[in-house]
Amino acid sequence: QVQLVQSGAEVRKPGASVKVSCKASGYSFTSYYMHWVRQAPGQGLEWMGIINPSGGSTSYAQKFQGRVTMTRDRSTSTVYMELSSLKSEDTAVYYCATDGALGYSYGGNWVDPWGRGTLVTVSS
Amino acid sequence: QSVLTQPPSVSGAPGQRVTISCTGSSSNIGAGYDVHWYQQLPGTAPKVLMYGNSNRPSGVPDRFSGSRSGTSASLAISGLRAEDEAEYYCQSYDSSLSGSVFGGGTKLTFL
Repeated sequence: QVQLVQSGAEVRKPGASVKVSCKASGYSFTSYYMHWVRQAPGQGLEWMGIINPSGGSTSYAQKFQGRVTMTRDRSTSTVYMELSSLKSEDTAVYYCATDGALGYSYGGNWVDPWGRGTLVTVSS
Repeated sequence: QSVLTQPPSVSGAPGQRVTISCTGSSSNIGAGYDVHWYQQLPGTAPKVLMYGNSNRPSGVPDRFSGSRSGTSASLAISGLRAEDEAEYYCQSYDSSLSGSVFGGGTKLTFL
């Protein structure tokens, strides 16, 4: 079955960077785009961006442009999300989630399944 | 402030029908982009409940239905059951932002 396994919780100081991983299994890794979505404590969902695991192309939400980098490693079926210049407001659970459509995604497809999430805490 | 507006909460009694609205604008729902709905139970990741406005993934009961009209969409839940108590989110694409956007979420509680 499709499974997305994310890396463990992280604690960072303001100004630092964090890199979260998401290992996919149970399907053709390069056939479905991958999204990153975050959720601050007690808050709603916020879309961060999308990566094409096949060619590596990315599209980021305007809010995160210049601070987020999404990459992939096809040899291990893993996607990564790195967020830099961390602020306390970046404290959140970060989810990876598979695009719902096979092949090309414009970014507006549904996303499912989701990983379990990675808690990133930014605190001095 | 979310680009897609949802009521913060809705409530209903077991067996009743409730609807959750998702209001957007001409750059997202009004532009014809699909709306998708997610259910998030406490402490868990969201799961898709409705995709492409009105399509249910396998395993989602037909008590759930979705629709889109103009710059809005809605999710209807009939025959409310205890396990429906959760947070619900809508999602669409916004051409002005060139990315996907979520509603602020609606908490469904029982009366």
